[in-house]
Amino acid sequence: EIVLTQSPGTLSLSPGERATLSCRASESVSSNYLAWYQQKPGQAPRILIYGASGRASGIPDRFSGSGSGTDFTLTISRLEPEDFAVYYCQQYASSPWTFGQGTKVEIK
Amino acid sequence: EVQLVESGGGLVQPGGSLRLSCAASGLTVSSNYISWVRQAPGKGLEWVSVIYIDGSTYYADSMKGRFTISRDNSKNTVYLQMNSLRAEDTAVYYCARGFPAGRWGQGTLVTVSS
Repeated sequence: EIVLTQSPGTLSLSPGERATLSCRASESVSSNYLAWYQQKPGQAPRILIYGASGRASGIPDRFSGSGSGTDFTLTISRLEPEDFAVYYCQQYASSPWTFGQGTKVEIK
Repeated sequence: EVQLVESGGGLVQPGGSLRLSCAASGLTVSSNYISWVRQAPGKGLEWVSVIYIDGSTYYADSMKGRFTISRDNSKNTVYLQMNSLRAEDTAVYYCARGFPAGRWGQGTLVTVSS
């Protein structure tokens, strides 16, 4: 099983600042089958990034994904008020598909 | 419009069984990867199971042997049969479509308690 470790656990930032979220895998994620999701309280998750760097339909370009192998990053270039949420990475390269434990981006 | 609607959640005693349904519209379940993901109260996302387009099924280790994913193409619905339920299975269960999961339902709450 591929274990995903996200850091930091909580990120305290102000609107307009840049957010950098990390996701590290216990082994290489083949084909860069790594996705990022955003979840707000009481809502289902929403996909942001697939294939490590592909932006899902309708996702603003302030969201970008990068990385390969075992190290991946989600960057939010300038935080908007609606971006404060919890973010999860997920690998779907091998079964069982697994999620990271999440990073909460909170308003400073 | 693509829509996934979960149902079948509720209160069940430890050791009991429950079958969740994921009814799809705007898409054909047999032509899509459909997965189940759960979220315990106040916790993170936990992947449960997936059924591939070719019918292959996969499970998280903690659910193997207790949970079964299946689909009924005539009803355009995917199911999650859950047996030998434990308190730690208490969660909102979501179904989601895609590889990876690009479209999610709103979830159904399963509570395992005596």
